[in-house]
Amino acid sequence: IAGITQAPTSQILAAGRRMTLRCTQDMRHNAMYWYRQDLGLGLRLIHYSNTAGTTGKGEVPDGYSVSRANTDDFPLTLASAVPSQTSVYFCASSEGSSGTDTQYFGPGTRLTVL
Amino acid sequence: GQNIDQPTEMTATEGAIVQINCTYQTSGFNGLFWYQQHAGEAPTFLSYNVLDGLEEKGRFSSFLSRSKGYSYLLLKELQMKDSASYLCAVRDGDYKLSFGAGTTVTVRA
Repeated sequence: IAGITQAPTSQILAAGRRMTLRCTQDMRHNAMYWYRQDLGLGLRLIHYSNTAGTTGKGEVPDGYSVSRANTDDFPLTLASAVPSQTSVYFCASSEGSSGTDTQYFGPGTRLTVL
Repeated sequence: GQNIDQPTEMTATEGAIVQINCTYQTSGFNGLFWYQQHAGEAPTFLSYNVLDGLEEKGRFSSFLSRSKGYSYLLLKELQMKDSASYLCAVRDGDYKLSFGAGTTVTVRA
């Protein structure tokens, strides 16, 4: 079944460590997104990519970096994790065209930074 | 910045109707989405409005008034499986989605 996969499902990480969250989609969508979801704050956009080879900053980009080497993969890297980055991370993708351009979400990664 | 408000929690009885309101103030407007999110799961798309009026899709309907910065999601004939969080999201002038904090709906027997 086509869709978005994320790995790992969950992770406990020591502060200061580097961590990469993986996201892969097989829908050939042009646009991909990373959000974090925190209780009471809703989903907030971290970084996005409108097409392979391009990336942009969202609402809360500090402490995170992304790359988009190809259409399918959009990894999110925490260079030096801090406890405030404890959250649930969702990757999403969309066709990137005009009109509805619905975003479809992956299952999420629950990250705890101690 | 974007400002999207929706109630935190709502409770309703199985078989009843519940209306979840969403008000927004954004920089530009390119559509409003409603997503459903069950606990521990990913958000899933429910509806999209870009023009004023009502969009009906089975038991769920969504309404938009652009001049008032207002939308609602109407859930009819509530079922236990409708217990979830409902997220209002607005696509702004830069085509980025901004989400409200979500409304947790609890359906009681």
